[in-house]
Amino acid sequence: DTGVSQDPRHKITKRGQNVTFRCDPISEHNRLYWYRQTLGQGPEFLTYFQNEAQLEKSRLLSDRFSAERPKGSFSTLEIQRTEQGDSAMYLCASILGREAFFGQGTRLTVV
Amino acid sequence: AQRVTQPEKLLSVFKGAPVELKCNYSYSGSPELFWYVQYSRQRLQLLLRHISRESIKGFTADLNKGETSFHLKKPFAQEEDSAMYYCAANAGGTSYGKLTFGQGTILTVHP
Repeated sequence: DTGVSQDPRHKITKRGQNVTFRCDPISEHNRLYWYRQTLGQGPEFLTYFQNEAQLEKSRLLSDRFSAERPKGSFSTLEIQRTEQGDSAMYLCASILGREAFFGQGTRLTVV
Repeated sequence: AQRVTQPEKLLSVFKGAPVELKCNYSYSGSPELFWYVQYSRQRLQLLLRHISRESIKGFTADLNKGETSFHLKKPFAQEEDSAMYYCAANAGGTSYGKLTFGQGTILTVHP
């Protein structure tokens, strides 16, 4: 599978722990997006990068969340001091033209 | 506020019957509209977009600016069309990739 890759696919963590997710976009795509999807809802925009620059952050992205894309290639999304409300599917997408290519997501469960 | 609404969470039809998945949007300016599909155990993928005015897998969608709708239609549903369908919009211009999704409609096509 040469599409967008996300790791891990599943993560179970205890409340209060920190977690980090990784996204590897399709190599020639310079825009990378993070979305969050909770049960029964469509994906919601969190943040995006143009190369290594983080250009926009949603109000959904509290100060416990941080995202990086240090060399304009892969990206990481870190959640500090996780809360049960952080339980969701975290999706990454990279863009070519007008089409978004999504990864399979990281499902986070906070217990 | 920018919003995409899919009024039906579930839609069931029989094979060979016509199907219409509804989508309404509330967006300032000239948004771009998309339909994304997620088949069982697969990632979210683009089905079609309004600017292409194309038919994919027999599906079409017409942008009705007067009614602010972008309904997805297929004259003869097939079992393999069973999936989750999301309508999505962006603000156009440089905002491509920052998508607002509807809640999704689960389409089930019975044999």
